[in-house]
Amino acid sequence: DAKTTQPPSMDCAEGRAANLPCNHSTISGNEYVYWYRQIHSQGPQYIIHGLKNNETNEMASLIITEDRKSSTLILPHATLRDTAVYYCIAPSSNTGKLIFGQGTTLQVKP
Amino acid sequence: DTGVSQNPRHKITKRGQNVTFRCDPISEHNRLYWYRQTLGQGPEFLTYFQNEAQLEKSRLLSDRFSAERPKGSFSTLEIQRTEQGDSAMYLCASSEGAGETYEQYFGPGTRLTVT
Repeated sequence: DAKTTQPPSMDCAEGRAANLPCNHSTISGNEYVYWYRQIHSQGPQYIIHGLKNNETNEMASLIITEDRKSSTLILPHATLRDTAVYYCIAPSSNTGKLIFGQGTTLQVKP
Repeated sequence: DTGVSQNPRHKITKRGQNVTFRCDPISEHNRLYWYRQTLGQGPEFLTYFQNEAQLEKSRLLSDRFSAERPKGSFSTLEIQRTEQGDSAMYLCASSEGAGETYEQYFGPGTRLTVT
């Protein structure tokens, strides 16, 4: 599993875009980048994943740099319900097991 | 709701007792994972099943822990002779296990308190 590095905390104003960075400089060519989030006292929730190309779904967008050494999760219009810990993970392609770091605690403020 | 379910949601037990948790994955998901999460930390991988086969166990899974998935559907996690250090949230997740990507869907967790 590639090691990932995220800032421990970020703030965002409600209605604004939240841009959460992640460094994964040791990622190998076939390892995907996954993002999960965990709202207090709930199980983690899958958000999005990608390999090389930028990805978008109903929850977020994922921008991956061309060298694949970093990525950014974008929540386009953050709401108070988006307050959570966000985890960037590059899991083993064999088992898919997730190695969670400390993640980024995103606080969305009114 | 066809998501991952876990039972019980909360369990309080006395040190030395045995406890068993159950996880029902999303139907037709052939991969099932168990994680443990202590306060203020991210979840830690415990073990992984592909259908009924337990293919990987973390070193965190001591001899007092055992997990089964007898028919490749639901799974149980048993802790024998519980210790206070076992107090944690136990999370179960499932994924399709086909293709190259394995997004996991988590249950709500079972919170264990050992007194």
